[in-house]
Amino acid sequence: DVKVTQSSRYLVKRTGEKVFLECVQDMDHENMFWYRQDPGLGLRLIYFSYDVKMKEKGDIPEGYSVSREKKERFSLILESASTNQTSMYLCASSTIQRVFSYEQYFGPGTRLTVT
Amino acid sequence: AQKVTQAQTEISVVEKEDVTLDCVYETRDTTYYLFWYKQPPSGELVFLIRRNSFDEQNEISGRYSWNFQKSTSSFNFTITASQVVDSAVYFCALRGVKSNYQLIWGAGTKLIIKP
Repeated sequence: DVKVTQSSRYLVKRTGEKVFLECVQDMDHENMFWYRQDPGLGLRLIYFSYDVKMKEKGDIPEGYSVSREKKERFSLILESASTNQTSMYLCASSTIQRVFSYEQYFGPGTRLTVT
Repeated sequence: AQKVTQAQTEISVVEKEDVTLDCVYETRDTTYYLFWYKQPPSGELVFLIRRNSFDEQNEISGRYSWNFQKSTSSFNFTITASQVVDSAVYFCALRGVKSNYQLIWGAGTKLIIKP
């Protein structure tokens, strides 16, 4: 079974703080993704990475950065947290090793509150 | 452009009723992949099914069935004899063959099963 873990289920931070959200997957997947989920807006892609040290912007990258130094780990960084970044953050991974298999596997999510 | 529409924001039924969740997609790709995910109240998205565009066979898995119709660009999901544990938000997603690893997500349908 694919296992995607996220460092925290709940996080409360103050405005202006630097925030790190960590995601680890144990299935040697090449691709990793960070989404945020807000009521009525569904899932929106922030960044994704298709290889170590490679990253691409998603639909809403402003205010975020990412780091992928190791294949299994993908970090989302909020350089200076703001209240409009209060949200549920979901990490996912997928592989290209199995033909036609593009489904993403998700972690449990981190509910971040910025006060 | 690619798009996924889940027109039903919320559906509420009584336990043991059958319920169908609609998913309509748009893509210009001739090869594409469709997915359904379940997000229970715990928050973690769970992969349910993948369907490839060149395979129009319907699929049944226990009480779950999926009806893929290319002619109407729909990939609907039916739960037979619904149970309270089926209460969740259900997402439909699309990946075109040229889409660079990303999934295009519908807004989700919240399903409430009342005892």
